[in-house]
This record gives sequence, C-alpha cells and structure tokens, in this order.
Amino acid sequence: GESVGLHLPTLSVQEGDNSIINCAYSNSASDYFIWYKQESGKGPQFIIDIRSNMDKRQGQRVTVLLNKTVKHLSLQIAATQPGDSAVYFCAEKTGANNLFFGTGTRLTVIP
Amino acid sequence: GAVVSQHPSRVICKSGTSVKIECRSLDFQATTMFWYRQFPKQSLMLMATSNEGSKATYEQGVEKDKFLINHASLTLSTLTVTSAHPEDSSFYICSASRPGGEKLLFGSGTQLSVL
Repeated sequence: GESVGLHLPTLSVQEGDNSIINCAYSNSASDYFIWYKQESGKGPQFIIDIRSNMDKRQGQRVTVLLNKTVKHLSLQIAATQPGDSAVYFCAEKTGANNLFFGTGTRLTVIP
Repeated sequence: GAVVSQHPSRVICKSGTSVKIECRSLDFQATTMFWYRQFPKQSLMLMATSNEGSKATYEQGVEKDKFLINHASLTLSTLTVTSAHPEDSSFYICSASRPGGEKLLFGSGTQLSVL
C-alpha cells in the first residue's frame, strides 16, 4: 500500500505486505530528515534518519528514500506487522534550525 | 540508550489552576530541550526552546506568561501551564538531543485535560 501523505493521511495495508508512506517536505535547503512513529498517547519514536547527501538508507525492515529534486521523502516498511500500526511523521531540519514536522500519516495494518 | 522521561503522563485539572510538567534527560546532559504541543489528529507544533541557565525562546503565537519554562539544570526542564483553561487541553511533549547529536529523543508526553 502507498500513501501520498498530505493528500491521504490514512493508509491501510494487509499484514505481511509492504507499506510506503510518503512525505512532501517544504524547504529545499533542509539537510536532515527523520521519520518518527507515534503510537496513541505516546511520544514520537525515532525510526530512521537520512542526510541530504544520501538518497537511500536502510534499517531493520525500513528504508528511507530521499528525492531532493522533487522534495520528496518516503518510508518503506517491509512485511508490515500489526505492531507497525501508528501515525508516522516525517520531520525536516535546516542547518541548526529546529525540526519541522509534517502532518503525519496513519498506518493501519489489517491482520 | 539515551532516554527522555516526562511526568506526569496524564493530568486533569480545574479551570484556573496551574499545572507543571517535568522533562528529564536520564543519562545525558541536555543544554537544550524542546516543548511541543499536539492536538488530536494533528502534528507536533513547537512551542518553545528551553535553554539551560537562560530564558526560553518561544515560537510566534505562544504566550510566554502562560507557558512558563524553567531549565534550571542540565537534566531538567519544566513547563508550567498557568491559569489553565479548557482550550489549553492538549498533548504536551518534550524532547532533547544528546550533545552534538541531531536526533531528537522524545518524552512519552503529557495529556492535559482542563475541566
């Protein structure tokens, strides 16, 4: 399943499928990006980050892709599990400035 | 790993009272901490940057006299919501990063409900 972030803030996928969560960031000068996962009633949890000198970074079951040309960031989750159900936020940072959070996408995994 | 602890996790208070929320960095010193506010189904909005030993820096539109921030030590920042009103009901979250690090670590958040 795939979302377009701001235009489709919810994404439902079947357990075991891959998920793709998209984010369109706003500042072309942003040089650091982070994906956070937030479960209901909890603070955001770091998932993966990427710097602007890279276009791909992989973690455990997660991959972040960065396309600076179109200011697009995506989070791919392989073999999505029920525990992955949460709201996912992308955040961008420009130099020493603070992190700016996107609107978030709610991922629901259907068992 | 580095942990940010926030307390309390939930508070219910009467309108007009003040509420204090604590944010602690447990195994590192944080010269800077951040306070965010989050309404239901919305993103995190930065309220202020808490600087150890100096005044906090507030974002535009955030009332500094209403949201008092104190960062008295390198491991503790507090946010006091003064004379709380129902519209102040929200999820408040603090964060900090390790010295020299960019990755923000978040507390577990405080759900404030003002009756």
